[in-house]
Amino acid sequence: SQTIHQWPATLVQPVGSPLSLECTVEGTSNPNLYWYRQAAGRGLQLLFYSVGIGQISSEVPQNLSASRPQDRQFILSSKKLLLSDSGFYLCAWRAGFDGYTFGSGTRLTVV
Amino acid sequence: SQQGEEDPQALSIQEGENATMNCSYKTSINNLQWYRQNSGRGLVHLILIRSNEREKHSGRLRVTLDTSKKSSSLLITASRAADTASYFCATDEGSNYKLTFGKGTLLTVNP
Repeated sequence: SQTIHQWPATLVQPVGSPLSLECTVEGTSNPNLYWYRQAAGRGLQLLFYSVGIGQISSEVPQNLSASRPQDRQFILSSKKLLLSDSGFYLCAWRAGFDGYTFGSGTRLTVV
Repeated sequence: SQQGEEDPQALSIQEGENATMNCSYKTSINNLQWYRQNSGRGLVHLILIRSNEREKHSGRLRVTLDTSKKSSSLLITASRAADTASYFCATDEGSNYKLTFGKGTLLTVNP
């Protein structure tokens, strides 16, 4: 079966520290992968998407970057976190023609 | 950018009643999808309706799509307390299957 793993579930990081969030997918190959951020009480904002290894498209200029070192691995990074980077980060993959499957999310608090 | 806008922002009903949520969008779409998010969790795909479809059913869910008005509605019949969640519409405009989400409707079903 196809599953998506995202970790960690929660993270508290000081301003200026680096960030690395990882997402992996099992049971499929060459998936489209997506990183979204959700601010408190708001909708989802698409940050990055990838249609293949090493192929990253950025939707919003910001303090974050993404990488796809392997077919089923998608990483969200930052060299120096800002307070405004706080939020709920969600990884997703396109599950055929029936929509996205989302990971369980990472709640990031920058202090 | 925000494509879909849900209405109302919040809805509170009694168990057994029907809940109707609306979504409006701005541009042409390939399909429109509805997702559910329980508090602090990832999103779960509920139903997808293609641009050439007008109505679709799945269990207690009924979705309509009016492309001339650029609007969709999600009806949940015979609601249950377990239906309490935020509901999001998302539009697929056809470019790399990126989904653009609205801000969501918070549905509370009181037992």
